[in-house]
Amino acid sequence: GAVVSQHPSWVICKSGTSVKIECRSLDFQATTMFWYRQFPKQSLMLMATSNEGSKATYEQGVEKDKFLINHASLTLSTLTVTSAHPEDSSFYICSASTPSLPGELFFGEGSRLTVL
Amino acid sequence: AQSVTQPDIHITVSEGASLELRCNYSYGATPYLFWYVQSPGQGLQLLLKYFSGDTLVQGIKGFEAEFKRSQSSFNLRKPSVHWSDAAEYFCAVGARESSYKLIFGSGTRLLVRP
Repeated sequence: GAVVSQHPSWVICKSGTSVKIECRSLDFQATTMFWYRQFPKQSLMLMATSNEGSKATYEQGVEKDKFLINHASLTLSTLTVTSAHPEDSSFYICSASTPSLPGELFFGEGSRLTVL
Repeated sequence: AQSVTQPDIHITVSEGASLELRCNYSYGATPYLFWYVQSPGQGLQLLLKYFSGDTLVQGIKGFEAEFKRSQSSFNLRKPSVHWSDAAEYFCAVGARESSYKLIFGSGTRLLVRP
């Protein structure tokens, strides 16, 4: 149980286009989801926290208009990278938590974005 | 604010040797502590976690970690390393007061000599 799935696993897009990444909790209700990005050979940096039905809370330095996060249901959160540029190329990872398992975070497999 | 320090960027050990990866955290209350492993191009795999109780925690793949409040540490250990353990290891801290969001350390890359 407690599986989180991300889609797509990898995506290549042209500079200036927008890309949407989905994060789904397959067998539990994820009241809170977190989005991280990871540059090559670096650690995971928290981008934002999203609670179902609420606006996301962004970490300092993360552009909310650039990285649109939607958490409209208890099983789905989306991250949209708008007007992507090569510097947005990164590995994006989501994680989800549920009140029935406080403190537990379940991670997706990650999505690798390459912007040409 | 929470923070995590992994002072070793790289560690190289011989196969069969013991391993200890260091992790120090900064947080005022009792933290939730985690160790994850990541192979190149892959997602994260949870090795073990500490929430409360026994300070020596057993995880998967023969790993263990010990929570030492007095030293603000949560070091990861393994008595005998296998070549397949070569990967990147991340320590992370979370807390109920911050909605359990995890803050990750910078990671330690483990290399295993045959």
